Amino acid sequence: GIQVEQSPPDLILQEGANSTLRCNFSDSVNNLQWFHQNPWGQLINLFYIPSGTKQNGRLSATTVATERYSLLYISSSQTTDSGVYFCAARGYSSASKIIFGSGTRLSIRP
Amino acid sequence: DGGITQSPKYLFRKEGQNVTLSCEQNLNHDAMYWYRQDPGQGLRLIYYSQIVNDFQKGDIAEGYSVSREKKESFPLTVTSAQKNPTAFYLCASSSPGTLNTEAFFGQGTRLTVV
Repeated sequence: GIQVEQSPPDLILQEGANSTLRCNFSDSVNNLQWFHQNPWGQLINLFYIPSGTKQNGRLSATTVATERYSLLYISSSQTTDSGVYFCAARGYSSASKIIFGSGTRLSIRP
Repeated sequence: DGGITQSPKYLFRKEGQNVTLSCEQNLNHDAMYWYRQDPGQGLRLIYYSQIVNDFQKGDIAEGYSVSREKKESFPLTVTSAQKNPTAFYLCASSSPGTLNTEAFFGQGTRLTVV
């Protein structure tokens, strides 16, 4: 099955800094999503981005499907951006599973 | 108000008991998934179902069972065979095709063995 790897595992930044989170996947995908897990454990959908670039406020994401990676950019970080960011991917087979990376724990210091 | 509802939010189980976690969705999605998350860890797939009356084992299915009798519902039973069931359980749904397969999650159930 598809393998999903995220880097870095941990990231500590000062408020106002920019950050880039990376997700590598091992096969062609028809689903690539980024999530933010809030302190209560709920997964918040950030982007559905199997290819191309999307932006939502201070957040943007780019997936280069041919090179099998996706990047999540957070600009002008705020303390409320802290938490764990997951990417998840699903291959083209209709019976494919949605597989998660191990996450990036982001800590934004005031 | 469309979405995925998991219940209960918190569940306590005595050792040796089976418990069932509920997951209901009104998004008209064919595919549904159950994941387990241990503290500080990522999400691991327990079971998934692409269509009613069909389901497949994920990476950690031992000690768990599921059913998919209705499109809207995908309950997960944690059996006494699961040796370490204390964890956070998340249910998700999506369309299984090749167009817009975005997955959405419920709020989770925290299971504790007492």
